[in-house]
Amino acid sequence: DTGVSQDPRHKITKRGQNVTFRCDPISEHNRLYWYRQTLGQGPEFLTYFQNEAQLEKSRLLSDRFSAERPKGSFSTLEIQRTEQGDSAMYLCASSLVSLSGNTIYFGEGSWLTVV
Amino acid sequence: AQKITQTQPGMFVQEKEAVTLDCTYDTSDPSYGLFWYKQPSSGEMIFLIYQGSYDQQNATEGRYSLNFQKARKSANLVISASQLGDSAMYFCAMRVLELSNTGNQFYFGTGTSLTVIP
Repeated sequence: DTGVSQDPRHKITKRGQNVTFRCDPISEHNRLYWYRQTLGQGPEFLTYFQNEAQLEKSRLLSDRFSAERPKGSFSTLEIQRTEQGDSAMYLCASSLVSLSGNTIYFGEGSWLTVV
Repeated sequence: AQKITQTQPGMFVQEKEAVTLDCTYDTSDPSYGLFWYKQPSSGEMIFLIYQGSYDQQNATEGRYSLNFQKARKSANLVISASQLGDSAMYFCAMRVLELSNTGNQFYFGTGTSLTVIP
């Protein structure tokens, strides 16, 4: 399978604990995105990387959230001191940078439930 | 500000019939791309179809076609010959091609839930 893969697919954690999600993009893609999706809503942009550089962060990404892409390949999204409001699906996506309208391809998402 | 609007929270269609899912957008940028994604209950986002703002013809991909009306800023998805497997959430999205090459993220609508009735 050469698509975007995310791990774990589901995570249940107690409030206050830290969680980390991993994303492996499509191998030739140099852009990697993180989105958050809550029930009944479309995905909301969190941050994106071009290679290893984090180029933009949404105001949704509070200081409890940190994302890395150390070698320009896989990425991790860590949430510290989780809160119930962090319960959502965290989607990773990747694309090839281009001036034309190329597509971003999504992974299957990581569901987070904070209890 | 960029904005995507999907006004149909839920739609029903009879199997084998065609259905149109509405999407309107708002941007002042001349260069943009419009996308439709399908999200089944499993959660994955599946790319369906793309339309560039400078494309002269409406995009088609198999049973999917995009009815692009630039002056009205609409990009409706038409699914022909609906199948039971088409039941899912459908999201319209816009990507603005900013020359600064930053802020190159997608903006999504709130989605339309499509149910295909046998």
